[in-house]
Amino acid sequence: DQQVKQNSPSLSVQEGRISILNCDYTNSMFDYFLWYKKYPAEGPTFLISISSIKDKNEDGRFTVFLNKSAKHLSLHIVPSQPGDSAVYFCAAIGGSNYKLTFGKGTLLTVNP
Amino acid sequence: DAGITQSPRYKITETGRQVTLMCHQTWSHSYMFWYRQDLGHGLRLIYYSAAADITDKGEVSDGYVVSRSKTENFPLTLESATRSQTSVYFCASSEFRTTVETQYFGPGTRLLVL
Repeated sequence: DQQVKQNSPSLSVQEGRISILNCDYTNSMFDYFLWYKKYPAEGPTFLISISSIKDKNEDGRFTVFLNKSAKHLSLHIVPSQPGDSAVYFCAAIGGSNYKLTFGKGTLLTVNP
Repeated sequence: DAGITQSPRYKITETGRQVTLMCHQTWSHSYMFWYRQDLGHGLRLIYYSAAADITDKGEVSDGYVVSRSKTENFPLTLESATRSQTSVYFCASSEFRTTVETQYFGPGTRLLVL
């Protein structure tokens, strides 16, 4: 039973355009959501997060939106750059549990 | 070196052999984690630890053993390696009580079981 779902295995966008990566979750106990970025041959690195009490969090070119009623979050990258090409993992955590539950990841390719 | 390190970075072994993957962090983080990354599965939690001598199973713990005698080390042992354990293994650490997002990952160990 997959509690965090990233239904798009890959996404390709042009440099300068917006990249939108989506994530759905099923567990109502999740109250904190994170996005991690992973380059080949490296470990994942934290990118941006959002608490369930908010519906938007922005950090430079990266914005995460949370729709609690739909159990859906999205990561917007504007403008997209070739260096953003990586695998993006959505993750969630809830209650007193300190374990992260990850989605399967979305490979973003930003074409020059 | 400061941070979180894993060794070896690459390992080839044979079915049935015991293999130990090492993880070391210099931040004195309380929490440490082992994940495996496989195509089509993303990152799956193998084992985690809240402190020295406290460990617990994740979603894919069968065939793996961990120990945590010291805060900074969290070795993962494959007791009798199988081909299905061919994967990339990531260790991570965090100080959960301060900031949730600071789960820092090591560079990974790529394991091939023949």
